[in-house]
Amino acid sequence: EAQVTQNPRYLITVTGKKLTVTCSQNMNHEYMSWYRQDPGLGLRQIYYSMNVEVTDKGDVPEGYKVSRKEKRNFPLILESPSPNQTSLYFCASSLSRPPDTQYFGPGTRLTVL
Amino acid sequence: GNSVTQMEGPVTLSEEAFLTINCTYTATGYPSLFWYVQYPGEGLQLLLKATKADDKGSNKGFEATYRKETTSFHLEKGSVQVSDSAVYFCALWPNTDKLIFGTGTRLQVFP
Repeated sequence: EAQVTQNPRYLITVTGKKLTVTCSQNMNHEYMSWYRQDPGLGLRQIYYSMNVEVTDKGDVPEGYKVSRKEKRNFPLILESPSPNQTSLYFCASSLSRPPDTQYFGPGTRLTVL
Repeated sequence: GNSVTQMEGPVTLSEEAFLTINCTYTATGYPSLFWYVQYPGEGLQLLLKATKADDKGSNKGFEATYRKETTSFHLEKGSVQVSDSAVYFCALWPNTDKLIFGTGTRLQVFP
């Protein structure tokens, strides 16, 4: 089944404890991105990647890192999480850059205490 | 700059009622426009799209027409069902490397 998977789906952590949210797609997509969803703010892009080893900042990259060593994987790294990073995170992929249809993962709900 | 403005929700309707969710945009040139839907507990999925002025996107009984003169892309459905309850996002592609999403509008349909 063609899909985007994210792990974990739910995570509660404490301030300053490094964490990684994994994202993987099995559709051979070139473009991948991370969004955060917050009430009243909608979806805001954190980082995106046009292809392997090519990443770029989105609208809210502060406090996040990404890497794209393989085409299928695009992990999101929070080196030192803070409470303002409590949010719902989505990974998405598409065959090529937008306006190609974006395929979203199921989301990761992160709480930073 | 490029932006999308959606009506605030929640929109609460009875089954079989007519639905309109307003979306307006600001962009230079000729952007493409999209509606994505997020069902409870799931990621977003594409509902419909339009790539040029006067295009009408349609899917699952939903429709939206790209109106350049009013910079709008309102979502409509003639008769909603309980299963349509979800959050709807209007999105804009302004010929860059990314999509710009609106804030989302929650739709609640009651039997």
